[in-house]
Amino acid sequence: AQSVTQLGSHVSVSEGALVLLRCNYSSSVPPYLFWYVQYPNQGLQLLLKYTTGATLVKGINGFEAEFKKSETSFHLTKPSAHMSDAAEYFCAVTYSGNTPLVFGKGTRLSVIA
Amino acid sequence: KAGVTQTPRYLIKTRGQQVTLSCSPISGHRSVSWYQQTPGQGLQFLFEYFSETQRNKGNFPGRFSGRQFSNSRSEMNVSTLELGDSALYLCASREQETYEEQYFGPGTRLTVT
Repeated sequence: AQSVTQLGSHVSVSEGALVLLRCNYSSSVPPYLFWYVQYPNQGLQLLLKYTTGATLVKGINGFEAEFKKSETSFHLTKPSAHMSDAAEYFCAVTYSGNTPLVFGKGTRLSVIA
Repeated sequence: KAGVTQTPRYLIKTRGQQVTLSCSPISGHRSVSWYQQTPGQGLQFLFEYFSETQRNKGNFPGRFSGRQFSNSRSEMNVSTLELGDSALYLCASREQETYEEQYFGPGTRLTVT
């Protein structure tokens, strides 16, 4: 069965500092991996996705993630945090594209001025 | 194109009642998925409809049901509401048959008292 573990339910960084949100997945077959962001009182917005090909994936708002098969990880990074990045971030996995996404519990990112 | 819309945005019901939530997908999208989001369980898949047919179903009791109309609009129904049904219900639509590009609505916040 697929599963996603997001380490840290809450991460706090200073404005301008590196953002690192961790995601580890469990899948018996090659996964499709996603990061979504949710702002208060809004739905989820796709930040980036990995399906096949290049393992370093660039997304919107300056975020990127690297698929590391050996570590079963798909960590999300951003070189310099901005106040507007404060939100909840969800990692998700599916393995065939035709099966529903399985989401992690989410990580709430706070950005301190 | 207009995004995914969900109505109502907020709803308060009493235990034992039933409720119907509505989702209008992005124009041209034939698939609609429903998710329940709670602080304790996170995001959980309820069911998915594609061209009026239920294609996938999550692990929820039969009190949760849904349907899709010929114009792709979808409704979900919860009968005999329980306190634990209080949650944010998110709808997502996509054009293709795979889960790669899902677009989420803002959600319906259901409170059961």
